Amino acid sequence: QKEVEQDPGPLSVPEGAIVSLNCTYSNSAFQYFMWYRQYSRKGPELLMYTYSSGNKEDGRFTAQVDKSSKYISLFIRDSQPSDSATYLCAMNTNAGKSTFGDGTTLTVKP
Amino acid sequence: GAGVSQSPSNKVTEKGKDVELRCDPISGHTALYWYRQSLGQGLEFLIYFQGNSAPDKSGLPSDRFSAERTGGSVSTLTIQRTQQEDSAVYLCASSLEGSIVYGQYFGPGTRLTVT
Repeated sequence: QKEVEQDPGPLSVPEGAIVSLNCTYSNSAFQYFMWYRQYSRKGPELLMYTYSSGNKEDGRFTAQVDKSSKYISLFIRDSQPSDSATYLCAMNTNAGKSTFGDGTTLTVKP
Repeated sequence: GAGVSQSPSNKVTEKGKDVELRCDPISGHTALYWYRQSLGQGLEFLIYFQGNSAPDKSGLPSDRFSAERTGGSVSTLTIQRTQQEDSAVYLCASSLEGSIVYGQYFGPGTRLTVT
């Protein structure tokens, strides 16, 4: 079993929809939780990070962490076609390597 | 400012040949990471440098893989006697002070194809 599980999708939504992306994990030592966005043939781009449990909001993006359930989410409000990409969750115990999910491919249709 | 750069962007090699992949991190970033991404998969950690030392090389899949970093800057990932299963995109990332709160900044990757 992988340490980090992520539904690969694909996920297709109409423009303006609220998108929910999720990951579950098994390692209770993870403390830092990140979301990356990756466009085709590009490197991942850090969107948000959260330390421990709680919510964090940045513009149209909200990251949630529930350590008791070992579950993290990324919500995208008012989704735009430019949000179409693969979204990767990642987790760290400390500085050093990140453990990534396999990514969810999102398409936002105009 | 300049981001993380990697070269070559694409590399096609024959099975059994050696390849070298290069990463130029963002200036001043002390931490450097190598990951591998196979088609449709997430990122697989290979090795982490802090300065010129590698405190975590646990992800290197075999002794055919090695990496070095010189002058706290440029890093080279070497794969000896390449195999078809080595085909993947090799991604390099750098960060400030090795702390995740500063974020990992990724390069565009090197797409390696072993024929």
